[in-house]
Amino acid sequence: DIQMTQSPSSLSASVGDRVTITCRASESINTYLNWYQQKAGKAPNLLIYGASNLQSGVPSRFSGSGSGTDFTLTITSLQPEDFATYYCQQNFRYVRTFGQGTTLEI
Amino acid sequence: EVQLVESGGGVVRPGGSLRLSCAASGFIFDDYGMTWVRQAPGKGLEYVAGISWNGGTTGYADSVKGRFTISRDNAKNSVYLQIDSLRAEDTALYHCAREYFDSSGFYRFLDSWGQGTLVTVSS
Repeated sequence: DIQMTQSPSSLSASVGDRVTITCRASESINTYLNWYQQKAGKAPNLLIYGASNLQSGVPSRFSGSGSGTDFTLTITSLQPEDFATYYCQQNFRYVRTFGQGTTLEI
Repeated sequence: EVQLVESGGGVVRPGGSLRLSCAASGFIFDDYGMTWVRQAPGKGLEYVAGISWNGGTTGYADSVKGRFTISRDNAKNSVYLQIDSLRAEDTALYHCAREYFDSSGFYRFLDSWGQGTLVTVSS
């Protein structure tokens, strides 16, 4: 299976900050990379697909970039509702592995 | 409205078995692949298994290969996960999710999730 590694595992930031989360794949996955946000007690919510495509309804302060093995999720001007856990997921191979998650804390 | 409702979880002893079900509604079920994802208490998301729209393709995480079996019944709008030889580390909330695809057909992602069914493996 493709291994997905996120960094950092946790991140402290303040409202209004700009933050970047990194995801690295163990082999090239082209741009077959999704990003999800999960809040406590809730199911995950898709933010970005295809590495850089913003899902409908997701605020434009979220953006994604990268291809091959290295990807980033950037959130500009953090809002209180953005404090959550973020996961990357590859959909290059049928076993669609997730990263271990990055928790964004106030 | 897309709805996914899981059932079948419970407390089971190590080595035991369970069959999880996921009932889908609000969309054309046999147009979509389906996925099971689990989350152990306080831990991250773990892909468990996936199945294509017609059941012709399945995939399993290494951690469950040979012990878990995913299947679907399109006539009943349902997807199943048979879990055998359960271990303590299989304790988790098991979600089913729909695998959607973008307009190009290249990109797949999980766009709808159920609330999950809890599996606890304990002696």
